[in-house]
Formats: sequence, C-alpha cells, structure tokens
Amino acid sequence: GQSLEQPSEVTAVEGAIVQINCTYQTSGFYGLSWYQQHDGGAPTFLSYNALDGLEETGRFSSFLSRSDSYGYLLLQELQMKDSASYFCAVRPPKSQNFVFGPGTRLSVLP
Amino acid sequence: NAGVTQTPKFRVLKTGQSMTLLCAQDMNHEYMYWYRQDPGMGLRLIHYSVGEGTTAKGEVPDGYNVSRLKKQNFLLGLESAAPSQTSVYFCASSLQTSGYTFGSGTRLTVV
Repeated sequence: GQSLEQPSEVTAVEGAIVQINCTYQTSGFYGLSWYQQHDGGAPTFLSYNALDGLEETGRFSSFLSRSDSYGYLLLQELQMKDSASYFCAVRPPKSQNFVFGPGTRLSVLP
Repeated sequence: NAGVTQTPKFRVLKTGQSMTLLCAQDMNHEYMYWYRQDPGMGLRLIHYSVGEGTTAKGEVPDGYNVSRLKKQNFLLGLESAAPSQTSVYFCASSLQTSGYTFGSGTRLTVV
C-alpha cells in the first residue's frame, strides 16, 4: 500500500526544537513535501525534498532518506504561532499525485 | 493575484440533493485536484486533472464527478448527496513537480 505514518500529536514549549517524523510503507517514491495547516484553515506548502539530505528554510528544515523511506520536519525556535497540524506527502512511483499522511498536531506551550 | 478560489465556503444539503463546488486558479497551473479532509484521516484525493479537458479518479471517487472545461476551473459535482459526504473539501493546483496551492476549503454538511 501507500500508507504514511506520522505521530498523531507532539507537544513542545516556546523556544524549543521539535522533530516530526514521517515514514512511508513502500519502496521508492519521488520526493517528500511538508504542509502546515492551522485550525479552520487551508494547508500551506512548507518544503519539498526531491533529493536525499537536509533542506533549510529559515526556522524550518526538512530531511529525506529515500533508502529508508523516511523523512522529518525540524522546527527550531518554536513560536506559539507554530501550533498547527503538519502533513507529510509523497509522490509514489509513476504517479502524478501526492499521497498525504494523517497529520501531526503540534501544540506549542508558553 | 487570488491564487486558488473555492465557492461556496459553507453549504448544508439534504440527503439526495445535488450541488457543484467551484474551484478557480489564476496561476496558469496545469494540474488541479479535489481532496476531502475528515478528522484523523488526512487529505484523500477524490479526482484530479492534468490539463484542460482531462480528468482522472483518485483514491475516493465514488459519488463524485468532475469537469475541467477550462484550464483555470475545476468543478466537483455531487449528484445525490449522502451523509458520508459530510466533510471539508479542498481544491488545489500545481505545476507538474511543485508543491500544491490550496484553496480555503468548502465545509459541506449533508443531513
């Protein structure tokens, strides 16, 4: 199948660093994306890893290891506004679409 | 530059009624998608289109139809609404290999 696994909830305090993992239960896929969604809002694109390794965009970094079917989103210097759900998404082989994970709800505490 | 616009934002239907959800994008994207989002289940693809005049089934297509008569518009139709179709519907668009731009969503309740 094409199932993705993410932790359902993560809690951290302001200023801390948090890592949200995503694993994909199949062999091979093209790229890993991450999206942020605040309650009542639409998902917004954060990052895309086409190649293995670490991509950094400000306080957010995303990592991909295709051989391990694994990736993560790293959020540094957490702020209250980072409280949201985070979804990973992968493009399976021979597919023109991304498959989304179930999402991880991040709560940032003061 | 509006991005992706969905209408309506909210709708309540009675079982058996029909309706059309409208999605418009002004970014000249080739690819457009319709997803539904239910609690704890992430985003599931209903139908998608890789260009004007083309459509294809996604993961959960039953009970829905779509049309892409113009490149900028992607319509999602419910012919006979059922309570199981109560959900939040998101339209998205993209270039072939880029991230998605999502619309603000349509909250549909079928009673």
